[in-house]
Amino acid sequence: EVQLVQSGAEVKKPGESLKISCKASGYNFISYWIGWVRQMPGRGLEWMGIIYPGDSNTKYSPSFQGQVTISADKSISTAYLQWSSLKASDTAMYYCARHGGGLSWGQGTLVTVSS
Amino acid sequence: EIVMTQSPATLSVSPGERATLSCRASQSVSSNLAWYQQKPGQAPRLLIYGASTRATGIPARFSGSGSGTEFTLTISSLQSEDFAVYYCQQYINWPWTFGQGTKVEIK
Repeated sequence: EVQLVQSGAEVKKPGESLKISCKASGYNFISYWIGWVRQMPGRGLEWMGIIYPGDSNTKYSPSFQGQVTISADKSISTAYLQWSSLKASDTAMYYCARHGGGLSWGQGTLVTVSS
Repeated sequence: EIVMTQSPATLSVSPGERATLSCRASQSVSSNLAWYQQKPGQAPRLLIYGASTRATGIPARFSGSGSGTEFTLTISSLQSEDFAVYYCQQYINWPWTFGQGTKVEIK
């Protein structure tokens, strides 16, 4: 069974950095695209980017290019999403999702950015 | 970028009735289309992939159809647990994109 377990909720101040994680199990981590989806409060789902852990090929949606960094560590089957300087507008729920016959989802990580 | 448009935005249905949700793509996505259900405070759940294949454990009352640019999710007889927001998503071209969602509410 595919399982994606995300790191816990975060409360940060504007300008701070952050790295959240998504640990995968139940499948061959290097063989499937895995990515991140943003859901702002009361809004819909937006793809941020994806990574293929087998060769670290990474793609970003135009809206998120340069705003975040997606990475993966094959040795521990974990994907990451990081910000170098958070803004209040980054406040949202972030889901990791594995692509393979549709998406399998993590439970979500709530990120709150407030001064 | 492929734009996915769902209609209607809100669908009011009585329990036991049929619900029909639509999703249109701005260009052909062939059958590379999935449907998800999201309830408040929960992560989305995969219902349908490949436009018409039910995911593991999804009840038979959920069915998907269509190809190219026009797709439909049908819930044959709405149960209380089906009231939620439904999203379609294309995965033929990056960036993959979601529709804006259809909220199915109790009439």
